[in-house]
Amino acid sequence: QKEVEQNSGPLSVPEGAIASLNCTYSDRGSQSFFWYRQYSGKSPELIMFIYSNGDKEDGRFTAQLNKASQYVSLLIRDSQPSDSATYLCAVNKGGATNKLIFGTGTLLAVQP
Amino acid sequence: NAGVTQTPKFQVLKTGQSMTLQCAQDMNHNSMYWYRQDPGMGLRLIYYSASEGTTDKGEVPNGYNVSRLNKREFSLRLESAAPSQTSVYFCASSLKTSPVQPQHFGDGTRLSIL
Repeated sequence: QKEVEQNSGPLSVPEGAIASLNCTYSDRGSQSFFWYRQYSGKSPELIMFIYSNGDKEDGRFTAQLNKASQYVSLLIRDSQPSDSATYLCAVNKGGATNKLIFGTGTLLAVQP
Repeated sequence: NAGVTQTPKFQVLKTGQSMTLQCAQDMNHNSMYWYRQDPGMGLRLIYYSASEGTTDKGEVPNGYNVSRLNKREFSLRLESAAPSQTSVYFCASSLKTSPVQPQHFGDGTRLSIL
């Protein structure tokens, strides 16, 4: 079992729809969860981070965390073609380090 | 505000050559990281430095060495490049706090080993 798992996609949604990106993790000691967006040929860019169970909203983005189920998701409302990118889920390695474990990413394609 | 700066942006090496990738951050972050990203493999941690004066191996350290020169700079060295080291290399930095803070990435170095 991978430490952080994401569906590789592509996830195709029409413009204006809600895109739902999912991530599961294996380390129950993980406390910090991050979503990065990566355009082709570019570096990862932080979108959201969440530490507590529940939802955290920032503009069109909502991160959802369920530690009991070891599940974190990212919702993108009113999806735009400019949201087309690979979305990386990252989870901190349990313990005293700042190390992150990254999933392999989900490719999102927003169709005009 | 430059953030994390990596040099060079592109490099082609021959097998057996050596090279140092440079990384500097101006965000006063304690921790710095080197990753490689290969198709289908995601970001894999090579080495990291939790704070100035310390370095530790990550998931794929073989064939690499690092130096934390000061709080701002963290370099990655390939002593004898191999074709398997062809990859995109990213440097990142973060504050060392609890809870764990986000990492901020440089633009990457695209390295090809022939």
